[in-house]
Amino acid sequence: DAMVIQNPRYQVTQFGKPVTLSCSQTLNHNVMYWYQQKSSQAPKLLFHYYDKDFNNEADTPDNFQSRRPNTSFCFLDIRSPGLGDAAMYLCATMTGMGASNQPQHFGDGTRLSIL
Amino acid sequence: ELKVEQNPLFLSMQEGKNYTIYCNYSTTSDRLYWYRQDPGKSLESLFVLLSNGAVKQEGRLMASLDTKARLSTLHITAAVHDLSATYFCAVDQNAGNNRKLIWGLGTSLAVNP
Repeated sequence: DAMVIQNPRYQVTQFGKPVTLSCSQTLNHNVMYWYQQKSSQAPKLLFHYYDKDFNNEADTPDNFQSRRPNTSFCFLDIRSPGLGDAAMYLCATMTGMGASNQPQHFGDGTRLSIL
Repeated sequence: ELKVEQNPLFLSMQEGKNYTIYCNYSTTSDRLYWYRQDPGKSLESLFVLLSNGAVKQEGRLMASLDTKARLSTLHITAAVHDLSATYFCAVDQNAGNNRKLIWGLGTSLAVNP
């Protein structure tokens, strides 16, 4: 059973048209992450939430915003997508417990295309 | 600042051969992760290594961690085509409960008949 679910799997949007990607989890994990991954590159962390505490990476463009209305859901909003934002967007979760031996659990990703 | 280096970045090997991928990191950490990624797919967790001397094995893959040398290895035994993928190591930034991973660039592995 999928534990981290991303919707949609594929998203096509127009240049400059706002888009929202969603992520839900059934693991009840404290921490949720959003990554951007371009072809043949490592995942790049955009931001993460520890419970309701938002942590932005210093080099994440202002064009990218996030919301976490509750433990289970997290959204990535791209306010004005540019051609350079075409990528795979990955959501991941992790328990916040320091002693845990669990990895980050990833969703299947949303592949975003910009026309 | 924690940095993670993997080598090689590209690896082409024959079926049946053995090889090792290396992951070096620059500052102390207590957790290291190996992930696999198939083309166009998401990341799949392979191993979580928590302590010095930790060794884990799954099928033809074996991962180890030397925290004193700040080095992890992913050893491939008798490679088969199904192992072709990109392998990432990621190191916990060791920020208490709020865990953030620093990723290597990945090793793209091609196993040829």
